[in-house]
Amino acid sequence: DVKVTQSSRYLVKRTGEKVFLECVQDMDHENMFWYRQDPGLGLRLIYFSYDVKMKEKGDIPEGYSVSREKKERFSLILESASTNQTSMYLCASSFSRTSGSYNEQFFGPGTRLTVL
Amino acid sequence: RKEVEQDPGPFNVPEGATVAFNCTYSNSASQSFFWYRQDCRKEPKLLMSVYSSGNEDGRFTAQLNRASQYISLLIRDSKLSDSATYLCVVNGSSASKIIFGSGTRLSIRP
Repeated sequence: DVKVTQSSRYLVKRTGEKVFLECVQDMDHENMFWYRQDPGLGLRLIYFSYDVKMKEKGDIPEGYSVSREKKERFSLILESASTNQTSMYLCASSFSRTSGSYNEQFFGPGTRLTVL
Repeated sequence: RKEVEQDPGPFNVPEGATVAFNCTYSNSASQSFFWYRQDCRKEPKLLMSVYSSGNEDGRFTAQLNRASQYISLLIRDSKLSDSATYLCVVNGSSASKIIFGSGTRLSIRP
């Protein structure tokens, strides 16, 4: 059974703080994703990684960076948190690195981040 | 225009009813299509893939209409446990081109 875990379910930070969100998957998946989910906007892709140390920008990368030093772990970093980054953050992973192919994405439980 | 559009609902139907909703997409080059289900305060989970020939899984039927650029989900004999938000997912030319719709909320009443 695939398991994707995220470091926190709820997080409250102050404007300007550096925030780390961690995601770990246990199925040896190559692809890992970070999304944010906001009411009425659905899931929007922040960053995507298809291999260790590889990353691609998604639709809304501004204000975020990522790190993938190990295959099972994908971190999202908010260098200087702002109130408009208050959101639900969802990590996902999937098998296959073949461009154009898509395999089922498995999601973590999400981190609800509030920036005050 | 959004790349993937869904009626947000909510669709409020009685138990046992048949309900259907659509999802339209703007990129005619989109290659694969899916429906995910998201329960309240939970993560999305794959419900079913949508193939060109249609796809049926028990009470659920998914269809693709490439000419009109939409996919549909039909739920027959709806159950209380079907209450959830249904997300349409459209995949383009690479794994980074996965677009989620904002979801259609379905509520089944006894």
